[in-house]
Amino acid sequence: DADVTQTPRNRITKTGKRIMLECSQTKGHDRMYWYRQDPGLGLRLIYYSFDVKDINKGEISDGYSVSRQAQAKFSLSLESAIPNQTALYFCATSGNTGELFFGEGSRLTVL
Amino acid sequence: GENVEQHPSTLSVQEGDSAVIKCTYSDSASNYFPWYKQELGKRPQLIIDIRSNVGEKKDQRIAVTLNKTAKHFSLHITETQPEDSAVYFCAASRRDYQLIWGAGTKLIIKP
Repeated sequence: DADVTQTPRNRITKTGKRIMLECSQTKGHDRMYWYRQDPGLGLRLIYYSFDVKDINKGEISDGYSVSRQAQAKFSLSLESAIPNQTALYFCATSGNTGELFFGEGSRLTVL
Repeated sequence: GENVEQHPSTLSVQEGDSAVIKCTYSDSASNYFPWYKQELGKRPQLIIDIRSNVGEKKDQRIAVTLNKTAKHFSLHITETQPEDSAVYFCAASRRDYQLIWGAGTKLIIKP
């Protein structure tokens, strides 16, 4: 299922580097999300966007920024990566039903 | 603040037996309660959801029950099979329509 595509799928970087994770979707949904997944903590919302001109902070937005370049594209940036940002990151979209459609995830390791 | 507690964190059942995962939520305004299944190395996918105007919903071997008075909801899987092995996440909607997630339950099906 390539409806929600994330790049890169895996990335190893060093402390202080700038990192961008990209997400594109072909589902035609207006709503897009970035989540972070850590073992034992479930999914935590970083940012979400209901349309191109709408950006909202989630529960853990500190240290992250986002850009909604188009309806189909939503990117997440870490301006200066730190080790505790090592995690699995998921992009997701949703339509009118509320069901979330996730990408395959981007595993980020910050050394 | 708002939170969702999910129990147990790990559940091991014999193949063919039933499995029950329970979640409690704190926000009385929550009105949408989805369950997602995440197989190892895969993305989370919606398996069933329930809205606050119903008390129970079934889909083949899966059912969800909701008790709004007690603020808890449960996932029931009957006749468990090896392919049911996964991590299951519950979630509850917030006043801003975003989801608060439980920490997840790792379900192990023993042959």
